[in-house]
Amino acid sequence: QSVLTQPPSASGTPGQRVIISCSGSGSNIGRNYVYWYQQIPGTAPQLLVYRNDQRPSGVPDRFSGSKSGTSASLAISGLRSEDEADYYCAAWDDSLSGRVFGGGTKLTVL
Amino acid sequence: EVQLVESGRGLIQPGGSLRLSCAASGFTVSSIYMNWVRQAPGTGLEWVSLITSGGSPYYAESVKGRFTISRDNSKNTVYLQMNSLRAEDTAVYYCNAHGGDAFDFWGQGTPVTVSS
Repeated sequence: QSVLTQPPSASGTPGQRVIISCSGSGSNIGRNYVYWYQQIPGTAPQLLVYRNDQRPSGVPDRFSGSKSGTSASLAISGLRSEDEADYYCAAWDDSLSGRVFGGGTKLTVL
Repeated sequence: EVQLVESGRGLIQPGGSLRLSCAASGFTVSSIYMNWVRQAPGTGLEWVSLITSGGSPYYAESVKGRFTISRDNSKNTVYLQMNSLRAEDTAVYYCNAHGGDAFDFWGQGTPVTVSS
C-alpha cells in the first residue's frame, strides 16, 4: 500500500476534462509540496507539476495541479490521445523522512 | 544539456551485491538532491534513497541497512551500493535529480534482477 492514495484508473474521451486525486496526511501533503509525474510505459517519469500547482516550461496548460489540506489533484482538460499514460503524485513525508509516491493512476483515453 | 546515465544493470543471486552508478552532466550533483527511485515489474514508483546537497543520506525503510548512497564530486557521479539483495529488490532503478522546483530530471533506468 502506498502512503499517498490515488485511484488505480481513470478514463475520458478526447476533449473531456479528467481529474486525478491524491490523498495523503498531515506529515506529507499537509506540510509539503506535491509533485505530479507522467510516465509513458517503458520510459522514465517526467515532471508535470511542481510545488503543488506550477508547470515546468514545455508542459501544456491543459495540465493543472491543486492542493487543499491533505489532498491534491491533477486536472487534465481537452484530453488527447497522447495523454494516455500513468500519473503519479509525490511528496516528502516528514514522519518517514523520505519521499513518498502515490500508487499511480492509469489514464485511458477512450 | 542535463543528462543522467545509469549503469550497473545485472542479474544477481539472492544475498549478493551490486553497485549502480549515475553519471551526471549539465549540472553538479553536489548542488542538488539526488534520488534513486525503483519500479518493480508492473508496479508503481518506489522511492529508495536520497543524498542531499549537503551530503546527508536518507533511505526507505525497505532498504535501510542494506543499501548505501554516495557520490563522487570529482566524477560528478552518484552511486547506490546494494547489499544482501532480495528477490523483492528486482526492479528498474532510476536516478533522479530533484531541485524542488522545475529542475527535475531522470535517467533512462537500469534493470536489476535478483534471482537464483
